[in-house]
Amino acid sequence: NAGVTQTPKFQVLKTGQSMTLQCAQDMNHEYMSWYRQDPGMGLRLIHYSVGAGITDQGEVPNGYNVSRSTTEDFPLRLLSAAPSQTSVYFCASVRTGTPDPGANVLTFGAGSRLTVL
Amino acid sequence: AQSVTQLDSQVPVFEEAPVELRCNYSSSVSVYLFWYVQYPNQGLQLLLKYLSGSTLVKGINGFEAEFNKSQTSFHLRKPSVHISDTAEYFCAVSAQGGKLIFGQGTELSVKP
Repeated sequence: NAGVTQTPKFQVLKTGQSMTLQCAQDMNHEYMSWYRQDPGMGLRLIHYSVGAGITDQGEVPNGYNVSRSTTEDFPLRLLSAAPSQTSVYFCASVRTGTPDPGANVLTFGAGSRLTVL
Repeated sequence: AQSVTQLDSQVPVFEEAPVELRCNYSSSVSVYLFWYVQYPNQGLQLLLKYLSGSTLVKGINGFEAEFNKSQTSFHLRKPSVHISDTAEYFCAVSAQGGKLIFGQGTELSVKP
């Protein structure tokens, strides 16, 4: 049982380049999300999805694009990288709406550290 | 909308001393509350959660937290800390189960 898998773990980009951070989960969770972590700011929500074909913006969506074609995958795309996007990115998934003990608790991936020069 | 404030950005403490990490939240609806821990260069690990029921919640590694609805607080406590508790701790709130709002984090530094 792999949980939430993020790739790559590390990436260095030049300003203006594009790339995709991959996120996959094998728990059949309907809800997936992307966060970025910056010193002193905690984790901030970039985009989230409540199911295949449905995405919405979080707190800091500018410069990022997402899609959800399957329940398992939720890639995050940087269209034209900027130094301000240097951060650690976390993907998460969760099962919501049920009272069982495992629901409503996010499972996080190990993180992807991105540096934009 | 929900928001979370962690009242201390850094908390230095000596080994075997008690510690309290403070967290206040604002929300107009019922919430779920969480504490996560992040050890250096690692991902996030769930310490404990409040979804419903008893307001005193016990978590891993000897930590506990108390949900106080009237004061909108969810402070984290441990009666005796170890060097290995040195980490960053995040308080988080959710009103919909999936959309977590995090506090800014508290760096706990345990000194010998």
